Amino acid sequence: EPEVTQTPSHQVTQMGQEVILRCVPISNHLYFYWYRQILGQKVEFLVSFYNNEISEKSEIFDDQFSVERPDGSNFTLKIRSTKLEDSAMYFCAIPKGWGRGYTFGSGTRLTVV
Amino acid sequence: AQRVTQPEKLLSVFKGAPVELKCNYSYSGSPELFWYVQYSRQRLQLLLRHISRESIKGFTADLNKGETSFHLKKPFAQEEDSAMYYCALSDQAAGNKLTFGGGTRVLVKP
Repeated sequence: EPEVTQTPSHQVTQMGQEVILRCVPISNHLYFYWYRQILGQKVEFLVSFYNNEISEKSEIFDDQFSVERPDGSNFTLKIRSTKLEDSAMYFCAIPKGWGRGYTFGSGTRLTVV
Repeated sequence: AQRVTQPEKLLSVFKGAPVELKCNYSYSGSPELFWYVQYSRQRLQLLLRHISRESIKGFTADLNKGETSFHLKKPFAQEEDSAMYYCALSDQAAGNKLTFGGGTRVLVKP
């Protein structure tokens, strides 16, 4: 099973600051997803990324969010101006093939103060 | 729109007792369903997928299209089964994104 590593594991930031969450390393994957989980709530879909383009995004993924694949292997999720309600666990995920589910990353816990 | 419902937020059972986690879904197409488990402070891990009809760690889940359910069962719970369990549906019409249920916390007491 491919390993999906996320950095940092925990980030504390002040409201209004920009944060960049990373998924490394990933190779030979065209499809990529970000999910988030606010403490005590369900896991929610944020965005899917296919072949260097956003293929679908949820209503949560507003203009404050962006995704990139800056160097062909790493994937990043950027939040431009964080809000208190952005505090959550953020997971990246890659598909394992049709009908085989996903491999999730270890997660980044974002705390906005 | 697809929806996944897990009616129980918490299930507390004694070791050796059976455990059943309920999952109901609504989806207009042919569903692709999964169970994920999240042990304390760990990542989400795939436990079961309906398409494989397998048994993992003693857990089984059967897709019942008539009742739109995908309940997870284990006849004899173990303490190491204590975790959060999430039922999820893959939307093939939307790039296979996952829609998760609210999760059920299972606590297995000694």
